[in-house]
Amino acid sequence: KNEVEQSPQNLTAQEGEFITINCSYSVGISALHWLQQHPGGGIVSLFMLSSGKKKHGRLIATINIQEKHSSLHITASHPRDSAVYICAVKIWTDKLIFGTGTRLQVFP
Amino acid sequence: DGGITQSPKYLFRKEGQNVTLSCEQNLNHDAMYWYRQDPGQGLRLIYYSQIVNDFQKGDIAEGYSVSREKKESFPLTVTSAQKNPTAFYLCASTTGGGETQYFGPGTRLLVL
Repeated sequence: KNEVEQSPQNLTAQEGEFITINCSYSVGISALHWLQQHPGGGIVSLFMLSSGKKKHGRLIATINIQEKHSSLHITASHPRDSAVYICAVKIWTDKLIFGTGTRLQVFP
Repeated sequence: DGGITQSPKYLFRKEGQNVTLSCEQNLNHDAMYWYRQDPGQGLRLIYYSQIVNDFQKGDIAEGYSVSREKKESFPLTVTSAQKNPTAFYLCASTTGGGETQYFGPGTRLLVL
């Protein structure tokens, strides 16, 4: 069993829909990262959080440390949001453990 | 503009050949990382370096080697001992202490 599990693996949506991507982990962590990987392969860091909730534009990330669960929400989705979204957890070193990613496609 | 550059974008390796992937950063970051990405799998750590002239093996270091002679540079060599080198390779850096990792654009390695 992977230490970091994401769901769903694939997600399609119509433009404007509210989207939720989930991440569950089974190890003790000091922080959780949400990353976005574009079709060309480049990765951008969206959020790093260790508690509560963060918001940036139409993106919202939440984490529940007790339940070992995080969610990434996208409001008013747009085709340019189409990408792979990756959850990664930082364990008690400088190492990250990555989920396998959620592939999102938003259609006009 | 500060950032991480990786070259080349595509690299072809012949059987038995060593190849070196370049990673350079001008962010003044202390820590640098090399990851490998395969379809359907999460990124896996190959090597990392937290300071110049020091580096540590990650989870899948066999068949790879690195050097860290300068703070800005962390080249990865894929040796002939790596029997399945076809993958997407990503370099990243951070100030350390678990802060946000900045990723390069990646190098796709293919075996001829």
